[in-house]
Amino acid sequence: NAGVMQNPRHLVRRRGQEARLRCSPMKGHSHVYWYRQLPEEGLKFMVYLQKENIIDESGMPKERFSAEFPKEGPSILRIQQVVRGDSAAYFCASSPPYSGRNEQFFGPGTRLTVL
Amino acid sequence: GDSVTQMEGPVTLSEEAFLTINCTYTATGYPSLFWYVQYPGEGLQLLLKATKADDKGSNKGFEATYRKETTSFHLEKGSVQVSDSAVYFCALSDGTSYDKVIFGPGTSLSVIP
Repeated sequence: NAGVMQNPRHLVRRRGQEARLRCSPMKGHSHVYWYRQLPEEGLKFMVYLQKENIIDESGMPKERFSAEFPKEGPSILRIQQVVRGDSAAYFCASSPPYSGRNEQFFGPGTRLTVL
Repeated sequence: GDSVTQMEGPVTLSEEAFLTINCTYTATGYPSLFWYVQYPGEGLQLLLKATKADDKGSNKGFEATYRKETTSFHLEKGSVQVSDSAVYFCALSDGTSYDKVIFGPGTSLSVIP
């Protein structure tokens, strides 16, 4: 059973470009979470999605950031018009259908560098 | 709201020293508690967990006991190795709505030979 997969592992963008980060959850997992980790800082929750639904986006910046988890295919975190402050590691995690006691399983992360 | 507090880092230890990383939590319900580890350049991996009071989670020589009376989940290891150098995150899932996990700020551990 493959783990959570993220791609690309490293992404370089110039200011003003768009960044698209992809996450494929573990098989059988229907919940996806995105986190951002700034250099020398902890994990900050961004958004929680189920298939075709955004459940909690309380950690998402109001502008330029969006996320989706379509019926088919991976979850996408999209950052429009990137700025240098967006440089960070972005982690995706997944969990099975809710049971109240689930841990989250993390992908290896995408390290975004904005030049 | 729910929260997790960890001891400040970085922590530097000599090989074979005893390790304790303190973690306390605030939660309204009966959360599950976790320790995750992040090795340099990698994502987080679940190290151990405990789902109810007095449970002891253990893995790779690490252990932590769910103490409801002190709302704590301290991580311990009797003899650390250089390969244990990583960042350790204490976390909780309150299980009331969905499996939202709240992470502590992380504690960086460096083990020197």
